[in-house]
Amino acid sequence: GENVEQHPSTLSVQEGDSAVIKCTYSDSASNYFPWYKQELGKRPQLIIDIRSNVGEKKDQRIAVTLNKTAKHFSLHITETQPEDSAVYFCAVLNSGYSTLTFGKGTMLLVSP
Amino acid sequence: SQTIHQWPATLVQPVGSPLSLECTVEGTSNPNLYWYRQAAGRGLQLLFYSVGIGQISSEVPQNLSASRPQDRQFILSSKKLLLSDSGFYLCAWGDSPRGETQYFGPGTRLLVL
Repeated sequence: GENVEQHPSTLSVQEGDSAVIKCTYSDSASNYFPWYKQELGKRPQLIIDIRSNVGEKKDQRIAVTLNKTAKHFSLHITETQPEDSAVYFCAVLNSGYSTLTFGKGTMLLVSP
Repeated sequence: SQTIHQWPATLVQPVGSPLSLECTVEGTSNPNLYWYRQAAGRGLQLLFYSVGIGQISSEVPQNLSASRPQDRQFILSSKKLLLSDSGFYLCAWGDSPRGETQYFGPGTRLLVL
């Protein structure tokens, strides 16, 4: 099955800095890569996703880049704010199935 | 618009007791449905998923079971809870036949004592 590695496990930044979280996957046939944000005690919420026919996608301060050759994709958050503090999960759609494999998560702490 | 409900929100149960968690989805037809468990401070573990009424796929063999008696209803059950069943149980629905984009319910926090 699909293997998804996510790094780093924790990331501390100062408000206004940029944050980058990276995920690698194993199945070259995978073609859909969502990112979820989970605040403490809440449900995970989809924040951005990308498909394999696109190399980059932006939505205001967040962006996702995909390198299919290297089988990795990254979440970029610019001008971080304290409310960006949360656990972020990457995921990969398992080819041939209706399921996602999730990374283990990155706890992002943004200090004022 | 689509909404997903889970209940109860929190539950404290003794070891060996039964369990029934319910999830319902509104505003969509024939969704893919999923049960995940999240242990404290950990990632998301897929337990079961369903692509249609009566169709259940199990990802992790354990003392839990799932059923889908109606198109938009998904139930997670156990006959005898273990301490290790404690966690945050999340139901999700997928908005396409392949279940690409998944949306999570508010979750049920289960503590087994």
